[in-house]
Formats: sequence, structure tokens, C-alpha cells
Amino acid sequence: DADVTQTPRNRITKTGKRIMLECSQTKGHDRMYWYRQDPGLGLRLIYYSFDVKDINKGEISDGYSVSRQAQAKFSLSLESAIPNQTALYFCATSPSAGVGYTFGSGTRLTVV
Amino acid sequence: DQQVKQNSPSLSVQEGRISILNCDYTNSMFDYFLWYKKYPAEGPTFLISISSIKDKNEDGRFTVFLNKSAKHLSLHIVPSQPGDSAVYFCAADQLRGAQKLVFGQGTRLTINP
Repeated sequence: DADVTQTPRNRITKTGKRIMLECSQTKGHDRMYWYRQDPGLGLRLIYYSFDVKDINKGEISDGYSVSRQAQAKFSLSLESAIPNQTALYFCATSPSAGVGYTFGSGTRLTVV
Repeated sequence: DQQVKQNSPSLSVQEGRISILNCDYTNSMFDYFLWYKKYPAEGPTFLISISSIKDKNEDGRFTVFLNKSAKHLSLHIVPSQPGDSAVYFCAADQLRGAQKLVFGQGTRLTINP
């Protein structure tokens, strides 16, 4: 099994629908992150969490919310999806600062 | 405001030659820098890192150079191999500050046989 698992791998949804992307990890790391990748813009941080009770906004949090259900689980929700949220979404984990992140394989989300 | 910039969207290099990928940053508080490699349909994977107290770090065929005065880092791959064809992301962190990675736009490297 992968260290960081994201579900679903691909999803097509309609404008206005609520959708949840899930992430689970077996690394035992406290820190978890959600990034989105867009062509020409690289990876941009949406939300991050340094432990179960700690949730922080990243640079592009508008239109998104998160839930840290347990150390191993960090979910990203789009409350009312819009087409410009079409992107590749990545979850990542790390044990501490100064250590490279471990990324999941990504969720390709298309909003029509 | 893009704090980490990779100004070359793509780079094509012949197999066996040196690949040089460049990255510039604007935030002088960054003190830790990383390179990630990404294949299609996979997540980015960590490649190599460097602390701001060093100017060079080497790992096999991969070497990262840091020029703090110019706020510039580069990744050298020697010799380049077909399996190196991927998108490379530069990233920066503040170990005593924000402690979250800021990524560049990525450079697509193609190694030609």
C-alpha cells in the first residue's frame, strides 16, 4: 500500500456540487498538506495542519475547507464547486520542518 | 507574488550531457531548498535538498548549488539519462518561520537519445 493514499484518483463533478477529496497516510507524520497544481503555476498550498487540532489556511484557501479527522486522515472539501477549481490536487505529509514531503499520487478533479 | 520562480518552462538535453535547471527566489527568509521530480500520473518525489548554510550538495548524479547573494539555486544532472525526463519543481522553506514549502512553476526536462 502507498504511504499516502488519495481518493478518488479522478472525479468529474458539476458546478455547484459539494465534493470531498480524501487523504490518508501510514507514515505516522503529524503534518499534512493540501496543494493544487495548475499548468504554469506549479503547486500552490490550500490548507495545512501540523497536528489534529491545528488547521491553517494556505495561499489559496478561498472556496475550500478541510477536516483533520485523525493523525492519519486529512480531507479537502469544495463546498460549491466552480470550473476554475478544475486542477490536480495533491496531499502531502512530513514529520517536521526541514524534511522533504511525501506526496500522494493526486486527484484529478474536473468541474463542468 | 511568486516567491519562487522557475523561468524556463521546458528544457531539452541530449542523453549523456549535463542538464542544468534553474530557480530564483525573492524571500531572503528562506533557509532550506529542495528539488522534486514528478512523472505523469504520479505525485512529486523528493530528489535533493540544501540548507542555506551550504553552497553545494551532491547526491550521485545530482548536485544542487545555492548562491544566496543572487537568491539563485540550480540543479545539475550529470550525465543525463532518459529516465530523468520529468517535471522538476524547486521549493523553498523557512525552518524557523512559516515551515511550509513554497514551490516554483516547474520545468519540464526532456532527455533525447
